Amino acid sequence: AQSVTQLDSHVSVSEGTPVLLRCNYSSSYSPSLFWYVQHPNKGLQLLLKYTSAATLVKGINGFEAEFKKSETSFHLTKPSAHMSDAAEYFCVVSPPQAGTALIFGKGTTLSVSS
Amino acid sequence: NAGVTQTPKFRILKIGQSMTLQCAQDMNHNYMYWYRQDPGMGLKLIYYSVGAGITDKGEVPNGYNVSRSTTEDFPLRLELAAPSQTSVYFCASTTRGDNYGYTFGSGTRLTVV
Repeated sequence: AQSVTQLDSHVSVSEGTPVLLRCNYSSSYSPSLFWYVQHPNKGLQLLLKYTSAATLVKGINGFEAEFKKSETSFHLTKPSAHMSDAAEYFCVVSPPQAGTALIFGKGTTLSVSS
Repeated sequence: NAGVTQTPKFRILKIGQSMTLQCAQDMNHNYMYWYRQDPGMGLKLIYYSVGAGITDKGEVPNGYNVSRSTTEDFPLRLELAAPSQTSVYFCASTTRGDNYGYTFGSGTRLTVV
């Protein structure tokens, strides 16, 4: 069975400082991993995805994540936070079979102060 | 390029009423999903479908029903609405060979009072 744990329910940073959102996964397969972002009262937007290619994945808006199999982690980072990054972020896991339903973490709320 | 369209965007139901949340996609995707989102809980899978005529339960199916008579449409039916069904509902779709290009609708915010 697959599962994902987001280690922080809330992260607060100052504008211009680095962002780290932590995610650990559990999977009996080689998983596919995703980060989605949801701005207030909006839908879900894909930030990036890992599907067994390069372990360092670059996404939109300057975000990136590194797949570390030995640590079963897929942490999301950004070198410099922007006010517009304030949102809820979901780490998501899926088995490799196409069409399998995504399994979501509980989410991390990112706050960015000026 | 409509993608996944959900209607309505908002709805208030009284306890015991029923309604259907509509979901339609125009990408010829085989796989469609219904999720509910509750604060601090992420998204939980209600039902999914791997093609027309085929549906299956997800993690939280109680109180809901679905049908998939066409590839495009995947409506979610609430019978006898309860306050516990107050949530935001998301429909999503994908297809084999799409390299995990899941597309989400914009959501339906449902309140049961």
